[in-house]
Amino acid sequence: DIQMTQSPSSLSASVGDRVTITCRASQTISNFLNWYQQEPGKAPKLLIYSASTLQSGVPSRFSGSGSGTDFTLTVSSLQPEDFATYYCQQSYSPPRTFGQGTKLEIQ
Amino acid sequence: EVQLVESGGDLVQPGRSLRLSCTGSGFTFGDYAMNWVRQAPGKGLEWVGFIRSKTYGGTTEFAASVKGRFAISRDDSKSIAYLQMNGLKSEDTAMYYCSREPRKSLAFDIWGQGTVVTVSS
Repeated sequence: DIQMTQSPSSLSASVGDRVTITCRASQTISNFLNWYQQEPGKAPKLLIYSASTLQSGVPSRFSGSGSGTDFTLTVSSLQPEDFATYYCQQSYSPPRTFGQGTKLEIQ
Repeated sequence: EVQLVESGGDLVQPGRSLRLSCTGSGFTFGDYAMNWVRQAPGKGLEWVGFIRSKTYGGTTEFAASVKGRFAISRDDSKSIAYLQMNGLKSEDTAMYYCSREPRKSLAFDIWGQGTVVTVSS
């Protein structure tokens, strides 16, 4: 199975900051990498698919990059509604594994 | 409106069975693979399994933690996907979400609100 490792596990930042979350796959997954945001008590929401394609309706301050085994999610200027938990997930092959999550907290 | 609604969550004893349903609306259900994802209290997301669309064989795949105990089926005429859970264990306690997976993106673009399964004596 492909293991997905996110870093950091948690991150404190302020409104307006630029933040980056990384995700590493245990083997190459080409660009089959997706990012989700989950607010407390809510279902996850798709942000980015295929490593860098912004899902319809997602603000342009979110961006993704990477291929192979190393990927990043960047938020260019944090807004109050961005403080949530973020997960990467590979769709290269089943099982469709998730990273352990990165909790983004207000500093 | 494109929507998924899960139902069937309950409190069940260890070893018993439970079937969850995921009902879709606002889209052609049969065109999509359907996934089940769970989240134990205070934990991260865990992929449970999925069923491909009939176009791609309607076959299923599962996480190792549930393989042999869980099954997924679909009734495209009713726009419903089912998660049959047998031999439930305490570690199966979680919020269970269903999600839609377009062939184009292979990402989970629509999620239901979830249904809670608690396994306890």
